[in-house]
Amino acid sequence: AQSVTQLGSHVSVSEGALVLLRCNYSSSVPPYLFWYVQYPNQGLQLLLKYTSAATLVKGINGFEAEFKKSETSFHLTKPSAHMSDAAEYFCAVTDLNTGNQFYFGTGTSLTVIP
Amino acid sequence: NAGVTQTPKFRVLKTGQSMTLLCAQDMNHEYMYWYRQDPGMGLRLIHYSVGEGTTAKGEVPDGYNVSRLKKQNFLLGLESAAPSQTSVYFCASRLLAEETQYFGPGTRLLVL
Repeated sequence: AQSVTQLGSHVSVSEGALVLLRCNYSSSVPPYLFWYVQYPNQGLQLLLKYTSAATLVKGINGFEAEFKKSETSFHLTKPSAHMSDAAEYFCAVTDLNTGNQFYFGTGTSLTVIP
Repeated sequence: NAGVTQTPKFRVLKTGQSMTLLCAQDMNHEYMYWYRQDPGMGLRLIHYSVGEGTTAKGEVPDGYNVSRLKKQNFLLGLESAAPSQTSVYFCASRLLAEETQYFGPGTRLLVL
């Protein structure tokens, strides 16, 4: 069975500081990994995805994530936080065997302090 | 191109009442999904469909039924609503050959 663990349900950073949101996955086969962002009272929007190509993936709004198979991790980073980055972030996983189903983490709420 | 739309946006039900949530997509996507989002639990898959006329159970299917009579629509039904079904419901869709899901804006359901 697949699963995703997001460490830290709440993360606070100062404006201009590094953003690091952690995601670890469990999958017995090569996974596809995703980061989605959810702004208040909205649906989820794709930030970036890993689908077995380059291990360092760049997404929208200056975010990037690195797939590390040895650590079963897919952490999301952004060098300099902006006030508009305040949102809920979800990591998700699927694979080639159960490609019809996606498994989401419990989410990390990011607060940006001015 | 409206993407994924959900109807209604908000609804209040009494315990035991029934209702249907409608999801519509205009992107000709094969796959459609229904999720529920609860605080501290992320998104959990209720049911999904891989094409017109086919549906399958997800992680938390009990108390819900679905139908996909047309490719563009995916209906989620609650036959007898319970307070435990108070949640925010999201619909998503994707192409067969593409991994990215596109989400609707959500439906907030309160069951009293």
